[in-house]
Order: sequence, then structure tokens, then C-alpha cells
Amino acid sequence: KQEVTQIPAALSVPEGENLVLNCSFTDSAIYNLQWFRQDPGKGLTSLLLIQSSQREQTSGRLNASLDKSSGRSTLYIAASQPGDSATYLCAFPLQQSGGYQKVTFGIGTKLQVIP
Amino acid sequence: SQTIHQWPATLVQPVGSPLSLECTVEGTSNPNLYWYRQAAGRGLQLLFYSVGIGQISSEVPQNLSASRPQDRQFILSSKKLLLSDSGFYLCACGTPSQETQYFGPGTRLLVL
Repeated sequence: KQEVTQIPAALSVPEGENLVLNCSFTDSAIYNLQWFRQDPGKGLTSLLLIQSSQREQTSGRLNASLDKSSGRSTLYIAASQPGDSATYLCAFPLQQSGGYQKVTFGIGTKLQVIP
Repeated sequence: SQTIHQWPATLVQPVGSPLSLECTVEGTSNPNLYWYRQAAGRGLQLLFYSVGIGQISSEVPQNLSASRPQDRQFILSSKKLLLSDSGFYLCACGTPSQETQYFGPGTRLLVL
């Protein structure tokens, strides 16, 4: 059973700072890894998806890396902005034989970027 | 891409009352549909999934049930709410060819 840990649980940084969010997992036999963003009281928005054969994905100021051997993924946010304030979750989607997808989520890191 | 609607956005219900949360999907056909619950300080927990009309699978035993009367409609219900049913309920959809699920805006349920 996949177990996911995200540290720290909360992070507060001044605007403009570069930051790294961490996600560790116990089962390296993953299919994909995904990072989501969740604004307070809202649904989840997919940020980046890394396939198991890849090591990183980039989108704008975001870069996600995957190291299966160490069971770690990081989400790097460059030049943080107040609008980046949200909870960031890592997740492991796995296709099931019944045609549906089962996703294991971390609890998330709550990020606050201070103007 | 898919658009997911959920209502109500917020609900306050007394213990023992019934519940009906609705989720509808636009922009796709024959999707897989999911109900998740997110409790404070805990990760998202998959409650139910459906691969087709009338096909419901439950991941965890609980006080809730789900139904899928139409291809793009998914309903979460309870006959008698418990305090422990409080939480944030998210509906999601996806297809076998997609690598990600798309999430709705969620319903905040508070049982008093």
C-alpha cells in the first residue's frame, strides 16, 4: 500500500523567494506522480504530471522532479507570488483493471506567500 | 475539457437528517466518476467510483451511498447523517485514456 508524506505541513515565505515542497512515498512501483493545487474551500487543479519513466516536468515557474529510487518528489516554485498561496498535494494515480483510476493523495503542504 | 458542477456549495444539516449531494459533468461522455471526502488534516479519501450508469463501487464501509442515474450525473446520499460525515466532498471525473482526474468545486458539509 502506497503511503505518502508531505513535509512541511505548512510553509510561509516572503514574496519573490524560491521554494521547494517535498513529497515522499514508500512504493517505488508507481505509474505516474501528479502535483495538484487546492485553493481554500475549492476543488483540486492539476499542475504537473510526471510519468514513471520521466524525471521532471516544467510549467512556467513550476518544476516537479521525481526520484523513484529514493522515493521522493519535489515541487520547485520560482519567484513566489502571493497568488501562489494555496495547498499543494502530491498524488499517485494508478490505473486499475476495472478501467477506473485509484489515486493516493498526500495531505498537502499549505503555502502562504507574504507580500 | 470536462467541467464539473457540484451543489450545493455549502450545507449545514442536523444529525439524523437525510443528505443528497449532486454532481454533473459536461464536456465528456461515459466518464468514470468519483466521490471523495476530505476531512481536516487528512488526505482525500475515495468513497465511491462508477464506471457506468447504475454501476457503483464502494471503497470503504460507511453511512453513505451513491447512485448514477444518468451518464453524467453522480449523487451522494445518506438516510441519516452522523457527526462524522462532516467534511468537504469532491466529485471527480476521468476516462481510461486520461492520465488525470478533473475535480469539481466541492461541497462543504457540516453536520451539527
